[in-house]
Amino acid sequence: DTEVTQTPKHLVMGMTNKKSLKCEQHMGHRAMYWYKQKAKKPPELMFVYSYEKLSINESVPSRFSPECPNSSLLNLHLHALQPEDSALYLCASSQQEAGELFFGEGSRLTVL
Amino acid sequence: AQSVTQPDIHITVSEGASLELRCNYSYGATPYLFWYVQSPGQGLQLLLKYFSGDTLVQGIKGFEAEFKRSQSSFNLRKPSVHWSDAAEYFCAVGQYNQGGKLIFGQGTELSVKP
Repeated sequence: DTEVTQTPKHLVMGMTNKKSLKCEQHMGHRAMYWYKQKAKKPPELMFVYSYEKLSINESVPSRFSPECPNSSLLNLHLHALQPEDSALYLCASSQQEAGELFFGEGSRLTVL
Repeated sequence: AQSVTQPDIHITVSEGASLELRCNYSYGATPYLFWYVQSPGQGLQLLLKYFSGDTLVQGIKGFEAEFKRSQSSFNLRKPSVHWSDAAEYFCAVGQYNQGGKLIFGQGTELSVKP
């Protein structure tokens, strides 16, 4: 099993809503990542979890809250988002930090 | 500061023609280098990687890349392009001493004409 699974694939939310993005991997990887990607741009790193601990936060606004319940799961909790937060959110995992990343298909988020 | 440059924003090649996508990096130590491909609305798929050893690396889908330290380059090549290769291609450098951060280039969009 070499997949990173993200749900939902599409999400539309208002600025006052609370929602969550979910990511799961069963490759035994110990590092998991959240990236944000705007159209026609490269992915931008948001958070890195290593051995279930947050190791990197790229100065992401607090309206984005990551959570790593266990080594296979990664969540991104969303609250009071802005329309400019609309983007493709990509989850990735790697066996170790700085190794090759395996990406999920992404969650397309639209904030109205 | 570390950086990755992909000089070509958009390239169009004819089906069956050869392809070379350019990537230059700036990094103080021996880098980990990657090429990823992304089809519209999809995630990123790893094409190939360079960590050490042989400077010519083979990847999936018939792609290869050559690491040239003297030129700080890691160009992606394919001898014969197929229509299904049309996609966005990202070069990336891994910072193994900074907790797993990948720095991506701006991407090169490949179009394939019949």
